[in-house]
Amino acid sequence: QSALTQPASVSGSPGQSITISCTGTSSDVGGYNYVSWYQQHPGKAPKLMIYEVSNRPSGVSNRFSGSKSGNTASLTISGLQAEDEADYYCSSYTSSSLYVFGTGTKVTVL
Amino acid sequence: EVQLVESGGGLVQPGGSLKLSCAASGFTFSGSAMHWVRQASGKGLEWVGRIRSKANSYATAYAASVKGRFTISRDDSKNTAYLQMNSLKTEDTAVYYCTRHRIEDRAFDIWGQGTMVTVSS
Repeated sequence: QSALTQPASVSGSPGQSITISCTGTSSDVGGYNYVSWYQQHPGKAPKLMIYEVSNRPSGVSNRFSGSKSGNTASLTISGLQAEDEADYYCSSYTSSSLYVFGTGTKVTVL
Repeated sequence: EVQLVESGGGLVQPGGSLKLSCAASGFTFSGSAMHWVRQASGKGLEWVGRIRSKANSYATAYAASVKGRFTISRDDSKNTAYLQMNSLKTEDTAVYYCTRHRIEDRAFDIWGQGTMVTVSS
């Protein structure tokens, strides 16, 4: 199972919106609405930010939103803040009943 | 407090074995599927494997990169999951996280702090 493809880095100024893409295949992202997104600050464990493509867990800011079109899922962060600077990973359930993560995206707040 | 705490990491020679533990508290461990995810230094997250609950026959599954070498087990009486790693390779060097998996939406909602495994001679 190959890793899902994400851009290596995305940057934006405070207050701006950015979008991170996550591209897979019809056997993972495109085949199921089980895409989730995780935020990871340096030296810390990942944190669930979005599940089932577009649902936010309790306590996660509504500045984070998710969507999917075909084999590509996206995470949008609006009103970018300094605390959003971190690595972000997508994950998807697969047709093999296994899981795959994305390659990861480093978000930089300029 | 909902919590997962990994332990058992350390330095091991290539070809050696190591067993990691993941102690859970604050939630119904016995009803939860538990997964292991690893992260090499400066690299991305890699799914390692999982074990389902008793209700789902403790079914296990593994990534191709570890299949046949790693074994996941659990002891519900101790609220603990395990990752037995055999025939270790240098490329297995990573921080290993255990995480709780929600079967209803396929999300990993609780994560441990990770334990470092270094495979080197």
